[in-house]
Amino acid sequence: TQLLEQSPQFLSIQEGENLTVYCNSSSVFSSLQWYRQEPGEGPVLLVTVVTGGEVKKLKRLTFQFGDARKDSSLHITAAQPGDTGLYLCAGEIPRGEANNLFFGTGTRLTVIP
Amino acid sequence: GAGVSQSPSNKVTEKGKDVELRCDPISGHTALYWYRQSLGQGLEFLIYFQGNSAPDKSGLPSDRFSAERTGGSVSTLTIQRTQQEDSAVYLCASSLKKGTSGQKTQYFGPGTRLLVL
Repeated sequence: TQLLEQSPQFLSIQEGENLTVYCNSSSVFSSLQWYRQEPGEGPVLLVTVVTGGEVKKLKRLTFQFGDARKDSSLHITAAQPGDTGLYLCAGEIPRGEANNLFFGTGTRLTVIP
Repeated sequence: GAGVSQSPSNKVTEKGKDVELRCDPISGHTALYWYRQSLGQGLEFLIYFQGNSAPDKSGLPSDRFSAERTGGSVSTLTIQRTQQEDSAVYLCASSLKKGTSGQKTQYFGPGTRLLVL
């Protein structure tokens, strides 16, 4: 059973276009994290959102946490070829002294020059 | 400072053989996680170590999988009698025990790509 569903699974767009990736769940999370993973490497954290309704911006990337802390979106403005990669959302459910992350299914983005 | 390192980076083995995968976490990180990632997919949690506490093994897919963490630092994931469906990227991550929810960032290693023929 997949706790977090991402859509779309694959996305291929032209340089300069905008896009939105969605991350949905029926579970409530204490925080939600977005990672980007490039071939041959581990995921790298982009942002953590904690408060329901929170919006964070990282250059051309805008991240939003749903009011009920069950879903999130990632919007990229004017995509660049360097944005190409696998985008993963991960919901945190605290467990003891560290955090348990439940990862989404991933969105593979290709930006064509 | 140094990040999480994993070895080997690639491993090809024959069905039925045992394999050991190693993870060196960031120095001082008390939490260590193992994940499995099938081709192009999300990450599947396998096992979690926190300090000297008993590990959370709830994600291990079968009793062929086991892991140890010696001295609260280096960890080894062992897969016995490998099967073709074990082929995947095995990722290790570590984190500090600090802060409130959302601040205990997991730092990932580059992974070990396992291919079982």
